[in-house]
Amino acid sequence: GENVEQHPSTLSVQEGDSAVIKCTYSDSASNYFPWYKQELGKRPQLIIDIRSNVGEKKDQRIAVTLNKTAKHFSLHITETQPEDSAVYFCAAGTGNQFYFGTGTSLTVIP
Amino acid sequence: DAGITQSPRHKVTETGTPVTLRCHQTENHRYMYWYRQDPGHGLRLIHYSYGVKDTDKGEVSDGYSVSRSKTEDFLLTLESATSSQTSVYFCATSPGLAGASEQFFGPGTRLTVL
Repeated sequence: GENVEQHPSTLSVQEGDSAVIKCTYSDSASNYFPWYKQELGKRPQLIIDIRSNVGEKKDQRIAVTLNKTAKHFSLHITETQPEDSAVYFCAAGTGNQFYFGTGTSLTVIP
Repeated sequence: DAGITQSPRHKVTETGTPVTLRCHQTENHRYMYWYRQDPGHGLRLIHYSYGVKDTDKGEVSDGYSVSRSKTEDFLLTLESATSSQTSVYFCATSPGLAGASEQFFGPGTRLTVL
């Protein structure tokens, strides 16, 4: 099955700086790569996703890049704000084969 | 939130007892999932359903069973709870396959097995 690795496990940045979280996957058949944000004590919620026919996608301060050849994808958050503090999960899969990374705890220091 | 509720929200039980968690959705989504979330492991799929009475195993299905008798309800049963099943359990739904569409998560159930 798919193996999704996520780095780093924890990340601290100053408010206003950028944050980058990276994930790798093993199954070349994977074609859907979402990112979920989970605030403390809350449910995970989708923040952005990308499909294999697209190399980059942006939504305001958030962007995701995908390199299918190297089997890795990354989440970029620019101009970080304290409300960006949360755990972020990447995921990869196709059809009913779908796996999450182990999460990155992001802390934005005011 | 996509109209997904879970019950109970918290439960403490003893080793060896059966436990049933309920997920209820009002979105008429075809697909439903049960995950467990543990520190250092992220979200791991236990079982999923692709229609009424249609279910399949996920990554960590041992010790768990599921049932879906109607579109809106998906039940997760721990047949004989063990301490290793102490976790936070999330239900999720999606209109399409997990590998192709957004999943909507319920609020979670914190289960403690003593």
